[in-house]
Amino acid sequence: NAGVTQTPKFQVLKTGQSMTLQCAQDMNHNSMYWYRQDPGMGLRLIYYSASEGTTDKGEVPNGYNVSRLNKREFSLRLESAAPSQTSVYFCASSEVTGTTYEQYFGPGTRLTVT
Amino acid sequence: AQKITQTQPGMFVQEKEAVTLDCTYDTSDPSYGLFWYKQPSSGEMIFLIYQGSYDQQNATEGRYSLNFQKARKSANLVISASQLGDSAMYFCAMRDLNTGNQFYFGTGTSLTVIP
Repeated sequence: NAGVTQTPKFQVLKTGQSMTLQCAQDMNHNSMYWYRQDPGMGLRLIYYSASEGTTDKGEVPNGYNVSRLNKREFSLRLESAAPSQTSVYFCASSEVTGTTYEQYFGPGTRLTVT
Repeated sequence: AQKITQTQPGMFVQEKEAVTLDCTYDTSDPSYGLFWYKQPSSGEMIFLIYQGSYDQQNATEGRYSLNFQKARKSANLVISASQLGDSAMYFCAMRDLNTGNQFYFGTGTSLTVIP
């Protein structure tokens, strides 16, 4: 049981390059999330998917796109990377029903855009 | 508008003492959940404790307890008998059903345990 996995762990991009961050969970959760974490800012929600087939914008969606490929996988795409997107990106999943609804986080992807 | 506010950027506590990390929240939804996460220097996010808005008693998990004051909209984390391994960033978060199951995080409190 791996929980939430993310690839890659580290990435360096040049301005204007594109890339996709991959996320998968094996807990059969309906909801999945993408956050970015910048120093002093806490975690800010980029996009989330309440269930397979649906996606919604979070607090900071500009410059990103997402795909909920199936129940397990939720990818984040940067079409044209900018230095302002240098951050640590976390994927998370949670269940809508249940008693606690806590989110389970992946290990994060450290992205640097030069 | 800020949904979660953590007003203590940094805190220090002596080993074996108790420490309280503050968190206030803002929501008009009667049904919500409050969470605390720990982020050590290694970077992973570790779930610590949960409090539901309808829970009558304060949540406890080992050395962690949540001081839930609903009328004041506060959900402070109390760590008893601090250990050196408790040194980390601590984030308060809220799950808000009004906004479709979104989670909102505070900016975090950096806790340092002094030997």
